[in-house]
Amino acid sequence: ETGVTQSPTHLIKTRGQQVTLRCSSQSGHNTVSWYQQALGQGPQFIFQYYREEENGRGNFPPRFSGLQFPNYSSELNVNALELDDSALYLCASSPGQGARTEAFFGQGTRLTVV
Amino acid sequence: AQSVTQLDSHVSVSEGTPVLLRCNYSSSYSPSLFWYVQHPNKGLQLLLKYTSAATLVKGINGFEAEFKKSETSFHLTKPSAHMSDAAEYFCVVSAPGGSARQLTFGSGTQLTVLP
Repeated sequence: ETGVTQSPTHLIKTRGQQVTLRCSSQSGHNTVSWYQQALGQGPQFIFQYYREEENGRGNFPPRFSGLQFPNYSSELNVNALELDDSALYLCASSPGQGARTEAFFGQGTRLTVV
Repeated sequence: AQSVTQLDSHVSVSEGTPVLLRCNYSSSYSPSLFWYVQHPNKGLQLLLKYTSAATLVKGINGFEAEFKKSETSFHLTKPSAHMSDAAEYFCVVSAPGGSARQLTFGSGTQLTVLP
């Protein structure tokens, strides 16, 4: 059984550019969530996808968007990058969307905006 | 609404001594609670979870936590610290809200283990 994998591991972008981060969920998991972890802080919930539909969103602007594909892999897209978008972006997959289900995290993508 | 407060941003212990990482939560619903650990340049690993069964929860690597509803606490303990326990620890609350399960993280506790 493979775990959650994210790509790329590191990325440097210029302010104003757009970026796409990718996540392959663990086998059998139909729910994917994305989190942003700024330096020295706990992860913040961006949004969740369940069976290809966004069904929950945190306090992030619309320039943060995502997709989930039929194989349950997912993308996070960020447009018009700002310096404050520099962070570790974590993807988590789980076998369901219930509150008691465990989330399995990938190792993250470190995004630096210059 | 739900929130988590980790009462100590840094905890330092000597190897072989007990570890106590404190966490208080607030939730409008009956919560599920988790502790995750994050080693440098690594993803988050689940240590243990409480989901309304036994209030004393045992996890991996000798960690355990006790859910105390009256105190709204979920403190993490370990009888004897090991050097490999040095890491960032996050207390997390999960509560059903609409159709999505949102994890709310505390700000983290950095555990240092001294030789």
